Amino acid sequence: DAKTTQPNSMESNEEEPVHLPCNHSTISGTDYIHWYRQLPSQGPEYVIHGLTSNVNNRMASLAIAEDRKSSTLILHRATLRDAAVYYCMAYGGNQFYFGTGTSLTVIP
Amino acid sequence: EPEVTQTPSHQVTQMGQEVILRCVPISNHLYFYWYRQILGQKVEFLVSFYNNEISEKSEIFDDQFSVERPDGSNFTLKIRSTKLEDSAMYFCASSEGWSGGGGYTFGSGTRLTVV
Repeated sequence: DAKTTQPNSMESNEEEPVHLPCNHSTISGTDYIHWYRQLPSQGPEYVIHGLTSNVNNRMASLAIAEDRKSSTLILHRATLRDAAVYYCMAYGGNQFYFGTGTSLTVIP
Repeated sequence: EPEVTQTPSHQVTQMGQEVILRCVPISNHLYFYWYRQILGQKVEFLVSFYNNEISEKSEIFDDQFSVERPDGSNFTLKIRSTKLEDSAMYFCASSEGWSGGGGYTFGSGTRLTVV
């Protein structure tokens, strides 16, 4: 499976931007990069995905490095409801492989 | 916004009993999946299902597990003879296409407790 590495945890102050990094140096040229998050006691929730270009949606922005070896999920203004585990995944094969993700703590 | 619905939210069963976990995927989605998450651990892939057959399964998905789409709306996971180590959250997901270009929608999960 296509491996990704993320920091185990990060903190952010409420109302400030958050940049969540992900390394995926072994992904293939056709693997999409996906981000999901999991709030406590809930199922994973789709956040955003991209292939080569930066992407924006109502939840977040995704900045993908030119060489595609890394990407960054950007939450423009963190709220308390954004406290969750964020998973960066490369779509390898026919399913997603979840790593341990980054646990984001938002400080009021 | 369309949802994936899972029932029950919590199931307690005795070791050795059969359980069926139920899911109603989003109506226009064609691909269906089961994942599980043991408490405090990673989300693990179990099986993907398309066109009424299994597309891919993991090593976890052994002969004790089976999936079925008995009608046009439900997607079920059966565990034939439950073991203590089957205790976990089980998540159903669906997608419109293969998710290279799109996302999965996950349900809220069924917490299975085997005693």
